[in-house]
Parts: sequence; structure tokens; C-alpha cells
Amino acid sequence: EPEVTQTPSHQVTQMGQEVILRCVPISNHLYFYWYRQILGQKVEFLVSFYNNEISEKSEIFDDQFSVERPDGSNFTLKIRSTKLEDSAMYFCASQKGGWEAFFGQGTRLTVV
Amino acid sequence: QQQVKQSPQSLIVQKGGISIINCAYENTAFDYFPWYQQFPGKGPALLIAIRPDVSEKKEGRFTISFNKSAKQFSLHIMDSQPGDSATYFCAANSNFGNEKLTFGTGTRLTIIP
Repeated sequence: EPEVTQTPSHQVTQMGQEVILRCVPISNHLYFYWYRQILGQKVEFLVSFYNNEISEKSEIFDDQFSVERPDGSNFTLKIRSTKLEDSAMYFCASQKGGWEAFFGQGTRLTVV
Repeated sequence: QQQVKQSPQSLIVQKGGISIINCAYENTAFDYFPWYQQFPGKGPALLIAIRPDVSEKKEGRFTISFNKSAKQFSLHIMDSQPGDSATYFCAANSNFGNEKLTFGTGTRLTIIP
């Protein structure tokens, strides 16, 4: 069964450093999302991406965040200068069009 | 108006019992209501979903009940099993599902023998 793949599974970084979280969505999907989940809390929307551009972003997704789909398969989330409060699980999701969104296993980001 | 309120925060049910989790929403533009199951260290996985044109959907031991006028929906797990122990999130979105999901706060379900 096709699945959304995220790498790395765990990333530890120093405050102020840049991180790139990578995702390979399901191949024929058209809509791509990043969500995050702070430990023990609900899943929060960060950004959606469709037709090679951001379609919506939340207030969390400030100028420190960016997304790219550089080669038609990978979908990346970059955090330019990490803060302690960026520590969370980051989930990539993809959707063919309508209804079911498939989530990856997540990247646990720890900022120290 | 974008919030989805979920209760209870945690739930303990005996094996074989019925687990019930409730959600309420405000945004009448929502037209798709999925439930996700999440095990520790894993991503959310779609369990079952409903659209507002039906009042109930059943898949195996899992049933969603939907009350459009009250803007509420609930998940019932019949004959609950220890393997059902997980965190359950209700969610909602609009535009026929082609938009971000708004998640509830989650319910940690524990099934005891």
C-alpha cells in the first residue's frame, strides 16, 4: 500500500540552526500539507500546498518557515532559525483530491 | 469558529464495552468529518469518516453518528479491545475535503481487560 515517507524520524538541532524536514508524498497525490503536534497536544495545521504554491498557511507558519517541492516528488519544510518552541512532531500529509488525507510517520524535532 | 471541541480528554473502558467519544463544531461550512487513530510515535491514520448528508456510518466495530442540526458527531467503538487503546482525534474540513483538517484536542482511550 502506498505511504507517505518522512525523513529523518528524529532530528536534534541547536537553537538558531536551520533544519529541513523531508517528505515523499504518495505519487499521484495533488495536495500536500504540513502539520505539527506538540507533545500531548492536538495536531495543528501549518501549511497546505497545491499546484506548486502555498494555498493556505496558519499563523504559526511565519517568515521562519518555508516549503518547497523541488523535484516533483519530495516536499520539504524548512525552518530557518529554530526556536525552543519549535520542538514538536512534524507530520506531512498528502491527498489525491477530496476526502482522505494520508499522514506520514512524522519527524520528531528537538531544539536544544 | 474554526474550532472542533472534543470530549472526553481520556477514557477508560473495559474490554468488550462501548467507547464513545464526542465532538462539536461551529463552522457550518465543514462538509467532511473524519476520525483519526494515533498510536504513540506514529502518524494519525484515518479510521472512519462521514459527510453531512448521512446521519450514521458504520464500518465493522466503528460507527460515526452525526447530528447536523446540533453540529455534533461522535465515534462509537463496539466490543472495545485492548488493541483499540490509542489516541483518537476527530477532525473536520470543507470544500469536499480539499482543505486543511481542523483537529479536535484528542481522546486517550485505554481498554482494560
